[in-house]
Amino acid sequence: DTEVTQTPKHLVMGMTNKKSLKCEQHMGHRAMYWYKQKAKKPPELMFVYSYEKLSINESVPSRFSPECPNSSLLNLHLHALQPEDSALYLCASSQVRGSSLSGANVLTFGAGSRLTVL
Amino acid sequence: AQSVTQLDSQVPVFEEAPVELRCNYSSSVSVYLFWYVQYPNQGLQLLLKYLSGSTLVKGINGFEAEFNKSQTSFHLRKPSVHISDTAEYFCAVSPLTGGGNKLTFGTGTQLKVEL
Repeated sequence: DTEVTQTPKHLVMGMTNKKSLKCEQHMGHRAMYWYKQKAKKPPELMFVYSYEKLSINESVPSRFSPECPNSSLLNLHLHALQPEDSALYLCASSQVRGSSLSGANVLTFGAGSRLTVL
Repeated sequence: AQSVTQLDSQVPVFEEAPVELRCNYSSSVSVYLFWYVQYPNQGLQLLLKYLSGSTLVKGINGFEAEFNKSQTSFHLRKPSVHISDTAEYFCAVSPLTGGGNKLTFGTGTQLKVEL
């Protein structure tokens, strides 16, 4: 299994809603990532988890709350979002740096969850 | 810190013609280099990567890229494109040491293949 699965594919929410994006991988990767991608722009890193611990937070607003309940799952909890948060949210996974050279730094991306905030 | 420059935001090309998508990077440390492709309404798929060894790297779908350290470039090429190659292409770098597994992406090049 060489896939990263993201659900839901599409999500529409109001500014007062609470919702979650989910990501799952079964490649044995111990690093997982959340990226945000606006239209016609490159992906921007939000969070990195390494061995289920948050290792990088790129100064993301607290209305985005990541969670890594186990080595295969990564969630992004959403609360009180703004319309400008509408974007494609991409999950990715990789081996942790320091493991095999061929796997280090090679991220496998999911298909993304397209979020619209009304 | 690293930065990636993709000077061409759009590249139109006729089917079966060759194409080159340009990528230049800047970094104070050695880096790994990648090309990712994004089809409409999809995530990113790895096309090819340079980690070490031969500077000419072959990837999926007939693409190849050459790492040129002196020119800090990693241009992507394909000798004959197909309609199905129409997509957004992102060049990215990651430092060999430090910085976690952070990828720095270029702004992307939209490849449009026409009949």
